[in-house]
Amino acid sequence: QVQLVQSGAEVKKPGASVKVSCKASGYTFTSADINWVRQATGQGLEWMGWMNPNSGNTGYIQKFQGRVIMTRDTSMSTAYMEVSSLTSEDTAVYFCARGPIDSDRSGDSDYYFAFWGQGTLVTVPS
Amino acid sequence: SYELTQPPSVSVSPGQTASITCSGDKLGNRYAFWYQQKPGQSPVLVIYQHTKRPSGIPERFSGSTSGNTATLTISGTQAMDEADYYCQAWDSSTVVFGGGTKLTVL
Repeated sequence: QVQLVQSGAEVKKPGASVKVSCKASGYTFTSADINWVRQATGQGLEWMGWMNPNSGNTGYIQKFQGRVIMTRDTSMSTAYMEVSSLTSEDTAVYFCARGPIDSDRSGDSDYYFAFWGQGTLVTVPS
Repeated sequence: SYELTQPPSVSVSPGQTASITCSGDKLGNRYAFWYQQKPGQSPVLVIYQHTKRPSGIPERFSGSTSGNTATLTISGTQAMDEADYYCQAWDSSTVVFGGGTKLTVL
């Protein structure tokens, strides 16, 4: 079965960086995008961007461009997301989520997350 | 940028039908997806491609769309359905989530 297992909770000082990992199993790692979604306490879901594990291509929303880097290690079937210049506003649970395999899609807008990691709490004290 | 609008909260009595709406420009022309999230847990996909249920999702969950609005309907709502629900769509290579709706079963 498909599983995404994330690294453990982190506490970071303002201005530092954090790198969260997401280890995939149960499918071919390079066959589907890995996305990252964050959720501040009591708030909604915020999509951050995507990474194609096959090509390494990435896309980030404007808010995170220049501060977020998504990478992968295909030999380990693991995706990584690094956020730099942390502030207290980055305190949140960060989820990785798998996009659909191309053969499961019925058009460009058919993009959703059937599999999620368990989440990683990143705390940046103010 | 594309936006999806959901009501912040919906209340329903056990056994009744709950409806949660999600509005967005021309939402009917693109796929809408729904997730359920319980406190301290990861989101779970409950509806995809407007109306389909992943395996393991009870039949009481259904989805529909009309014009600019997608609707998640829970028939015979149970106490275990109390959760936050998020709609999601894809626009111009960007994933967009609605603000979420807290469903209270009382």
